[in-house]
Amino acid sequence: GIQVEQSPPDLILQEGANSTLRCNFSDSVNNLQWFHQNPWGQLINLFYIPSGTKQNGRLSATTVATERYSLLYISSSQTTDSGVYFCAVESTGGFKTIFGAGTRLFVKA
Amino acid sequence: ETGVTQTPRHLVMGMTNKKSLKCEQHLGHNAMYWYKQSAKKPLELMFVYNFKEQTENNSVPSRFSPECPNSSHLFLHLHTLQPEDSALYLCASSQVGVSRTLPEQETQYFGPGTRLLVL
Repeated sequence: GIQVEQSPPDLILQEGANSTLRCNFSDSVNNLQWFHQNPWGQLINLFYIPSGTKQNGRLSATTVATERYSLLYISSSQTTDSGVYFCAVESTGGFKTIFGAGTRLFVKA
Repeated sequence: ETGVTQTPRHLVMGMTNKKSLKCEQHLGHNAMYWYKQSAKKPLELMFVYNFKEQTENNSVPSRFSPECPNSSHLFLHLHTLQPEDSALYLCASSQVGVSRTLPEQETQYFGPGTRLLVL
């Protein structure tokens, strides 16, 4: 089945710093989403981005479907950005959603 | 209420108990999902209901039994669980296009989850 790898697994940032999170996937996908799981466990949708680039405030994402990766950019990080960032893809055959293991982010004040 | 709600938020049960988790979506979506998130493991998709019919069951043990009486409600019935079933159980919903060959805005919206502890 399709493999989803996220890097880095852990990331510590000083408040105000920028970062890039990466999601690689091993096969063609129907769609790709980025989620943020806050320290209380709730998953929040960030982007639905099967291809192209989108921006929402300090966050932006780019998916290059032909090269099978997606990037999530966090600029001017804040302590409230802490949590786990998941990439999830839906495979083209079988419409199965697979999550990556996540990147655990901690932003220090 | 708006979005996706789940009850209860926390549940402690013994291995011989029977309990049910409830999920309700107020978004007018036609697909609902159950996920399991265990410690130090990726999220696992358990069940998918699309237009109220189960379309995916990812080899989930029979001690988990889903029920989808209508497009707004989804239940997960639990019986004779094991301690390793302790996890965060997340419900999600989305609007699935009729033609799956044309990906549409199918963003999944998640509920807050039920944190389950099996003793």
